[in-house]
Amino acid sequence: DAGVIQSPRHEVTEMGQEVTLRCKPISGHNSLFWYRQTMMRGLELLIYFNNNVPIDDSGMPEDRFSAKMPNASFSTLKIQPSEPRDSAVYFCASSFRQTLYNEQFFGPGTRLTVL
Amino acid sequence: EDKVVQSPLSLVVHEGDTVTLNCSYEVTNFRSLLWYKQEKKAPTFLFMLTSSGIEKKSGRLSSILDKKELFSILNITATQTGDSAIYLCAVGGTGTASKLTFGTGTRLQVTL
Repeated sequence: DAGVIQSPRHEVTEMGQEVTLRCKPISGHNSLFWYRQTMMRGLELLIYFNNNVPIDDSGMPEDRFSAKMPNASFSTLKIQPSEPRDSAVYFCASSFRQTLYNEQFFGPGTRLTVL
Repeated sequence: EDKVVQSPLSLVVHEGDTVTLNCSYEVTNFRSLLWYKQEKKAPTFLFMLTSSGIEKKSGRLSSILDKKELFSILNITATQTGDSAIYLCAVGGTGTASKLTFGTGTRLQVTL
């Protein structure tokens, strides 16, 4: 099993540029989660999907952030325009919703630096 | 709103010491509490707890849940430098469709 796959692993961009982060969940998993982690705020849930449908996007910081899941094997998180305060590690995680106990499997993360 | 509080925020111990990490929570319709270990990469799963008083063990690590007092502890005995990491506690509720709420973590450093 390849696990959750994220790309790119590192991204350095300049303020104002568009950034797109990508995630492939574990095959068979039907829930997908986007998190952001910073030293100051820890791990924050941004948005999650069940069966490709966004369920809760209350963690998305503002309109500059958007996420899509066009099919069961792919999701994107887009920041446009990016700002220095968006610098963080962005994790994607997946789980199988029908299990009782919420275990999630994390991808390796994308470290985003906005200059 | 679901809430998870971990303590201490950070901890430095000597190799061989025993440590106890704490996690208290407030969640609507509790379903599970999970512990993750995070080194320099993604969080990796340690334990899942759903019932009070039943200890989960994996080598030198163990964890237990108290659903009455709404907390869990993670014990690490005979610590090693490889135990240095951030330990994250997360809770899930039945009404949140597999969503987890994470604490800010405890940063453990084990020195020689």
